[in-house]
Amino acid sequence: SVLTQPPSVSEAPRQRVTISCSGSSSDIGNHAVNWYQQLPGKAPRLLIYYDNLLSSGVSDRFSASKSGTSASLAISVLQSEDEADYYCAAWDGSLSGYIFGTGTKVTVL
Amino acid sequence: EVQLVESGGGLVQPGGSLRLSCAASGFTFSTYWMSWVRQAPGKGLEWVANIRQDGSEKYYVDSVRGRFTISRDNTKNSLYLQLNSLRAEDTAVYYCARAEMATTYYFYYMDVWGTGTTVTVSS
Repeated sequence: SVLTQPPSVSEAPRQRVTISCSGSSSDIGNHAVNWYQQLPGKAPRLLIYYDNLLSSGVSDRFSASKSGTSASLAISVLQSEDEADYYCAAWDGSLSGYIFGTGTKVTVL
Repeated sequence: EVQLVESGGGLVQPGGSLRLSCAASGFTFSTYWMSWVRQAPGKGLEWVANIRQDGSEKYYVDSVRGRFTISRDNTKNSLYLQLNSLRAEDTAVYYCARAEMATTYYFYYMDVWGTGTTVTVSS
C-alpha cells in the first residue's frame, strides 16, 4: 500500500497551502490519519493525530481533515519556519503495518 | 523530560549484523508501544517494526521480516532492533519512537522521536 502525496508545494508567506494524501480502504478508509513534519536535518515531529487533532505544542495554523480514502493537511498564514517535509501516515489493516505517505516538500517563496 | 536516545549504528559489510538500542527516559516506558522507523539518504520515512507494551505482539515491514528482530526490556527502559543479513538498501538513519495504538488498531501514531542513529551497509 502507498499513500500518495504531491512531491512539492510552494506559496508566498502569509498564504495558505494544502497537502493531499490519497490512500485506500485498507489504510485511510478504515484507520486514523496522522501527519508528521520533518525540518531539514531533524527527526520527524508529530503534528496531527486521529485525523484532525493537534499534537501538543503545535500551532493552530495547522489543520487537517479526512474524507473517505483521502486526507489533507492545511497550513495557514505560511511562515518561513514551515519549510519542511510533511508526511501523512496511517495503519494498514491488510498489511498489519504502518505506512507513510510519499512526502511533500513545502517551500515558502 | 521525555527523551529517546538511539545508539549502536555504524558501518557494516553486506551480510553483517548490528544491534541498535534506544534508551527511554521521562515516561513510563512499559505502558507504551514502541517503534523503529528508518530513512534512507534523500528518501522518505519507512516504518520498520513495532512492539506491544509487554512484547507479546510484534509487526514488521515485509522488507525486513525474517532479518530484523525488535525487542524490549522494560526493566531497563530500553528498546532494541537486531539487524541481521544486512543489505545495502538497509542503509539509513534509524529512529526510535514512542507510539500509541488503539486496542482496536483503529489508530496508531508516534508522538515522541529520538534523534536517530545511522546505519551504513557497504563493503
